[in-house]
Amino acid sequence: DAGVTQSPTHLIKTRGQQVTLRCSPKSGHDTVSWYQQALGQGPQFIFQYYEEEERQRGNFPDRFSGHQFPNYSSELNVNALLLGDSALYLCASSSNGQRGYEQYFGPGTRLTVT
Amino acid sequence: KQEVTQIPAALSVPEGENLVLNCSFTDSAIYNLQWFRQDPGKGLTSLLLIQSSQREQTSGRLNASLDKSSGRSTLYIAASQPGDSATYLCAVRGTTDSWGKLQFGAGTQVVVTP
Repeated sequence: DAGVTQSPTHLIKTRGQQVTLRCSPKSGHDTVSWYQQALGQGPQFIFQYYEEEERQRGNFPDRFSGHQFPNYSSELNVNALLLGDSALYLCASSSNGQRGYEQYFGPGTRLTVT
Repeated sequence: KQEVTQIPAALSVPEGENLVLNCSFTDSAIYNLQWFRQDPGKGLTSLLLIQSSQREQTSGRLNASLDKSSGRSTLYIAASQPGDSATYLCAVRGTTDSWGKLQFGAGTQVVVTP
């Protein structure tokens, strides 16, 4: 059973550009959450998607947007990249099953903005 | 607003010594608390999850305690090994977070020297 997968592994972008990160949830999960982890910090919640809708959002600007597809996979889009957007982006999947929305994390995408 | 703090930020111990990692949180209205391990540049591996009604959880050499009223959790790792070198993060899920959003501390970076 494949766990949470993310692509790409690493990405280098220039300030002002746009980027799309992808996540496939663990089998049986229908909810995807995205977190941003700056160097030396804990992950910060960006938003969560369920039934192709944004259900919850953290304190991030509108430059951060997402999408969820019918197969539950998800994308995170960041527009007008800033140097401060350089971070590890983590995807977590979950479901309201026996383990009640326990989050399972993917390996992350390392984004570097130059 | 929930604040999660981990002290110390870094810790170095000789192999064989027991590790004690601390996590404190400001709002005792939590649903559960989870300890994660993170290797450099990698995703999060869940170690232990403690429900708010529990006092402790154990898995092999790992034991985590929870004192909700005082806003504290402690992770004990017995007989540390060089392979235990990693960053350890604690995260809380609040009772109002119906869909599993986690609030993380900044982590404790552990080095176990041979």
